[in-house]
Parts: sequence; C-alpha cells; structure tokens
Amino acid sequence: GAVVSQHPSRVICKSGTSVKIECRSLDFQATTMFWYRQFPKQSLMLMATSNEGSKATYEQGVEKDKFLINHASLTLSTLTVTSAHPEDSSFYICSAPDRGGSPLHFGNGTRLTVT
Amino acid sequence: ELKVEQNPLFLSMQEGKNYTIYCNYSTTSDRLYWYRQDPGKSLESLFVLLSNGAVKQEGRLMASLDTKARLSTLHITAAVHDLSATYFCAVPFSYNNNDMRFGAGTRLTVKP
Repeated sequence: GAVVSQHPSRVICKSGTSVKIECRSLDFQATTMFWYRQFPKQSLMLMATSNEGSKATYEQGVEKDKFLINHASLTLSTLTVTSAHPEDSSFYICSAPDRGGSPLHFGNGTRLTVT
Repeated sequence: ELKVEQNPLFLSMQEGKNYTIYCNYSTTSDRLYWYRQDPGKSLESLFVLLSNGAVKQEGRLMASLDTKARLSTLHITAAVHDLSATYFCAVPFSYNNNDMRFGAGTRLTVKP
C-alpha cells in the first residue's frame, strides 16, 4: 500500500537553530502534501498545504517565514522550522492523498524538542 | 468555518462493554474519516465514509455516516484492552482537497 515516509522521527535542537523535516511519498506521486502540528494531548491542527511547483498555502495564524515549506518534487516536501523556540516543540505530521476520496496517508511524525 | 466536534473526549470502559463515540460537523460534507492514534505514534486510518448512510465495520468497530444530520458514529462492541487509543474523526475542507479538520479526539481506555 501507499506509504509516506517522514524523517527524522525525533529531533532535539537548541533555541535559535533551524530544523528541517522531510516527507516523502514512497510509491505514489503527491502534488499536494499537508503539514499538521499536534501538541500533547491535543488534536491535529493543519499548518499548511504544500503544493508541488507553487507556493505553500498557510493556515491562519501560521507564520510562513518561520515555517518554510518547499515541495521540491512530486514525492518530497520539506518543512523547515527556522529560529526554533521552545514553544515550537511539538509533534509534526505530514500527510498526502494518493487519489480523491482515499484516506490520507500519514507519515510517522517528527517529535521536535527545542531546548 | 468548519467545526468538528467529538464526544466524549474521554471514555473509560470495562472490557466486554459497548459504547458509541459521536462526531458532529458544521458544514456540508459527504466524506468523513476515522483514525486511531496510539501514544507517541502517528495516525492509522480506520474508516473512510464516502456517502450518506455509509456503514463500515472492522472487527469490534463500526462506523456510520449521516450527512443530513452531519453526524458520524463510531460504535465499539465488546471492548477489549487493545482498543485503548485516541480516536479522531476528520472532515475535509472541500471535496477536491484532502485538507482535514480533525475533531478533538476521544481518548479511550478499556479496563479489564
């Protein structure tokens, strides 16, 4: 079945540094990928929609200059958290649909801890 | 704005009992998804409900969708400990996209 690979699964970084998270669709092409953030014991919140060949679409309240999204190819989207702060510590999950109506395929998530 | 409301948010059950989780949403949608999340893990797809009246069953879980009432249910039959997890329903913003609005989640604990 379709698989979405997300890397790294866990990262710890210091305040002020940047962290890049990769999301790859392994056996299908994804012109669109979605980035979600989940704080402990809370639901998933959509941060942005990554579009291959065009700019990402950000949800209200999400800083596009802080959370840089690049959809480099039909199988790869990256999320870079720039100048990370402790409040950015969260579980970041990417997802991609392989066709309309099918369940989204989720990556395994990246747990970011900013110290 | 699309709102997705789940209840209950917390559910503690005894093994062998039945219970239903409810998911209400605020705008028209003919699709609804149910996911399971174990602690520290990502989401696992449980059900895709694509039309009014859709009913799907997998093991001890059964999901249904009433698009007119904007309501989906996830029914648990004869719960077992392995079902302990957080369950989310999700509704897409639009038919052509798959950007989801998730419910708050129902944290289910099944006790022996």
